Amino acid sequence: SYEWTQAPSVSVSPGQTARITCSGDAFPNQYSFWYQQKPGQAPVQVIYMDSERPSGIPGRFSGSTSGTTVTLTISGVQAEDEADYYCHLSDSSGNNEVFGGGTKLTVL
Amino acid sequence: QVQLVQSGAEVKKPGASVKVSCKASAYSFTAYYLHWVRQTPGQGLEWMGRINPNSGGTKYAQKFQGRVTMTRDTSISTAYMELSRVTSDDTAVYYCARGEKNYGDYPRGFDFWGQGTLVTVPS
Repeated sequence: SYEWTQAPSVSVSPGQTARITCSGDAFPNQYSFWYQQKPGQAPVQVIYMDSERPSGIPGRFSGSTSGTTVTLTISGVQAEDEADYYCHLSDSSGNNEVFGGGTKLTVL
Repeated sequence: QVQLVQSGAEVKKPGASVKVSCKASAYSFTAYYLHWVRQTPGQGLEWMGRINPNSGGTKYAQKFQGRVTMTRDTSISTAYMELSRVTSDDTAVYYCARGEKNYGDYPRGFDFWGQGTLVTVPS
């Protein structure tokens, strides 16, 4: 099975750029997704298909991939962005659905 | 607005089974895969498996093979996840989430999630 790793925590000041990475073993036909989870709430998708933003997600959220590393970038971080962020790697076949361990973003 | 509404919290004794429901609304229930993901206390997300509500076909994560059963009732747009022989390690919040269409779709990931169901198994 595949394993993907995230740093446990990232801290930034308001207005700065936060980069949250997820690294692991790539698999064929892999796409990456990112979810934001605030305490006591269900996850919310913020990036799909590596770099696309769902409707309603602010433009400061962006995603990128380089094969074995996928990155979520939050430009101009706001206090409301403080949350846990999870990467999700999938080949849409149901054979490979992997989550990273999550990164807690703290806005100082 | 797409909604997934899950059943309420459960407390189960070790060795028992638990069944969680997920009722879908505002979209074609049979057109999209429905996934189950759990989150143990203070931990991350873990994929358990998925069901094709159209065919009833399932795929389960290896970790849960033999213990999990996913079913659906298309007449009421509801999916179910049953976990048997539970232990304290199964104490978690269980989520259902909508995945891709079961025919010709782009990789959309899990675009809508249920509110979660807390299952507690006292040790």
